[in-house]
Amino acid sequence: DAKTTQPPSMDCAEGRAANLPCNHSTISGNEYVYWYRQIHSQGPQYIIHGLKNNETNEMASLIITEDRKSSTLILPHATLRDTAVYYCIVRPSNTDKLIFGTGTRLQVFP
Amino acid sequence: DAGVTQSPTHLIKTRGQQVTLRCSPKSGHDTVSWYQQALGQGPQFIFQYYEEEERQRGNFPDRFSGHQFPNYSSELNVNALLLGDSALYLCASSLGALNEQFFGPGTRLTVL
Repeated sequence: DAKTTQPPSMDCAEGRAANLPCNHSTISGNEYVYWYRQIHSQGPQYIIHGLKNNETNEMASLIITEDRKSSTLILPHATLRDTAVYYCIVRPSNTDKLIFGTGTRLQVFP
Repeated sequence: DAGVTQSPTHLIKTRGQQVTLRCSPKSGHDTVSWYQQALGQGPQFIFQYYEEEERQRGNFPDRFSGHQFPNYSSELNVNALLLGDSALYLCASSLGALNEQFFGPGTRLTVL
C-alpha cells in the first residue's frame, strides 16, 4: 500500500505557482520522498527527490518539513503543459520498488 | 540518446492466451523494472531485473514472468491471460540500483 496521502485534484492558473502537498506521516529515517508526474497516455516522468533537506532543480522545488511527515512540490510558474497527475512516493533507501498511490491530478488553466 | 522504448504500443488478446512485451532500456542503463497500471490507478511494481536475474518482485502471481538479455533489454511474459490483466504495462530503466528510474511510454494490453 502507498505510504502517502495526496489530494485527488487541484487547479492552478497559468503563470502562478502550483503547490502540491503530500502527507507521509509514517516515513522512516532511511526513506526518500520522490515525485513523479504522468501526462495523459505517457509514462511517468521523474521530477525531484529528497531525504531531509529542501531540493531544487530546473523543474521544481521540494520542501520537506523538519519532522519529515509531509512535503510540498512547488512548480514556480505553472504552464498548460504541467497539467498531469503528480505522484508523491516514499521509497526506502534499500529498494528500487516505487509504490505509487493515486496521485494528484493538477489542472492548469489559462 | 534514445530513451526507454517499448513494443508493441497496443495489443489485443483473448482470455487464456499468452503475451510477451518488450523493453529496451535507456542507453547506458543496466536495470529494468516493470509496472502494471490499471485504468485510473497508479502504477504497481511487478518485478525488476539486473544482471539477467530477477532481483525484486511485487505482489503478482507466477503467471507474470520476465527475462533480461545480455544487452540489458527485457521481456515481460504473462500466461493464461485474465480480463483483469488489461492495463498499461510500463517499463522503467536505471543505472544500477537505487537510482532515478526513467519510464517508457508503455504498452496498452487489452484482454477480451
